[in-house]
Amino acid sequence: KQEVTQIPAALSVPEGENLVLNCSFTDSAIYNLQWFRQDPGKGLTSLLLIQSSQREQTSGRLNASLDKSSGRSTLYIAASQPGDSATYLCAVRGRDNQGGKLIFGQGTELSVKP
Amino acid sequence: DTEVTQTPKHLVMGMTNKKSLKCEQHMGHRAMYWYKQKAKKPPELMFVYSYEKLSINESVPSRFSPECPNSSLLNLHLHALQPEDSALYLCASSFGTGSGTGELFFGEGSRLTVL
Repeated sequence: KQEVTQIPAALSVPEGENLVLNCSFTDSAIYNLQWFRQDPGKGLTSLLLIQSSQREQTSGRLNASLDKSSGRSTLYIAASQPGDSATYLCAVRGRDNQGGKLIFGQGTELSVKP
Repeated sequence: DTEVTQTPKHLVMGMTNKKSLKCEQHMGHRAMYWYKQKAKKPPELMFVYSYEKLSINESVPSRFSPECPNSSLLNLHLHALQPEDSALYLCASSFGTGSGTGELFFGEGSRLTVL
């Protein structure tokens, strides 16, 4: 059974710092991995999608990597800003799933202090 | 347009009421999803529709009844809910399921309070 873990559960950094959020999964047989951000009381915003054949994806100050063999993904945020404060969730879509079920981690709550 | 629209944004209902949540997307996606999210928890999958057919029901109680009238619309009918059903209900869509899934896009959610 696929399990997804995110470390740390919460992170507080000063503005301008570069930071890394971690996501690990137990079954490497995945179609893809997706990173989301969620602001309090809001829906999930898709940040990056990495297909199983890819090693990384970049969007602006965000870079996500995928190492399927070790079951790990990282989300790198460069030059963090207070507006980056949110909960970040990673989710994997496993090959053994019917109908495309997404398995979520518990999330990392990020606070960027001015 | 990468938008999934959910209505209403907020809903308060009594345990004997019947109400519906609505979701719409115009991205040509053929898979649509309902998730339930409690505070400080990740979303939990409830239902998946693929090509307008129900493909996954995660053992959700029958007081929640999904409906997919066409490929752009998804409804969740609510009846005889319990206070513990209060949560944020999220709709999502993707191009397909399995290997052809692509990105999953979420709506802003409907905040449901059951009194």
